[in-house]
Amino acid sequence: AQSVTQLGSHVSVSEGALVLLRCNYSSSVPPYLFWYVQYPNQGLQLLLKYTSAATLVKGINVFEAEFKKSETSFHLTKPSAHMSDAAEYFCAVSNQAGTALIFGKGTTLSVSS
Amino acid sequence: DGGITQSPKYLFRKEGQNVTLSCEQNLNHDAMYWYRQDPGQGLRLIYYSQIVNDFQKGDIAEGYSVSREKKESFPLTVTSAQKNPTAFYLCATAFGLAGYNEQFFGPGTRLTVL
Repeated sequence: AQSVTQLGSHVSVSEGALVLLRCNYSSSVPPYLFWYVQYPNQGLQLLLKYTSAATLVKGINVFEAEFKKSETSFHLTKPSAHMSDAAEYFCAVSNQAGTALIFGKGTTLSVSS
Repeated sequence: DGGITQSPKYLFRKEGQNVTLSCEQNLNHDAMYWYRQDPGQGLRLIYYSQIVNDFQKGDIAEGYSVSREKKESFPLTVTSAQKNPTAFYLCATAFGLAGYNEQFFGPGTRLTVL
């Protein structure tokens, strides 16, 4: 069965520091993987997605994620945090039929000056 | 202006009442989705529809109902059978199968049961 685990419900970094948000997945078929961001009281926006074309995926706002099959991971990184990056981040994997996404429980990123 | 509209933004309901949340889109997407979001729980799928006049239950469909009479509209009714309906509800659309393509989300409706 497909599932997603996000390690750490809350991550705090200083402005300018590296951002690392962890996501591990379980999938019985080659997975499609997504990262979404949600700002308070808003809907979600797509940051990036993995569709097997390349293991290193670049997204918006300098975010990127690397697909590691051996580790069943799809961690999200950004070299230098900005105050505007403070939000909740969700990792998601496609279900087996490809008809819907299964979301992780989310990681809240706080950025301090 | 293309997008997804959810109304109302805030909704208050008394226990025992049914309430309908609206979701309208003009993106010409075939697939539409309803999610429920609770703090620390992520998004959980309630119902989804891939074509007009057809819809499927998600993981937490009990106490909810939907209809898909038009491509643009996918209203969600929260019935009195839903024991704990207070939550943030998100509507989403996708062009093609959502497991492979980007989902576009509306701004959400926050439902509070008094």
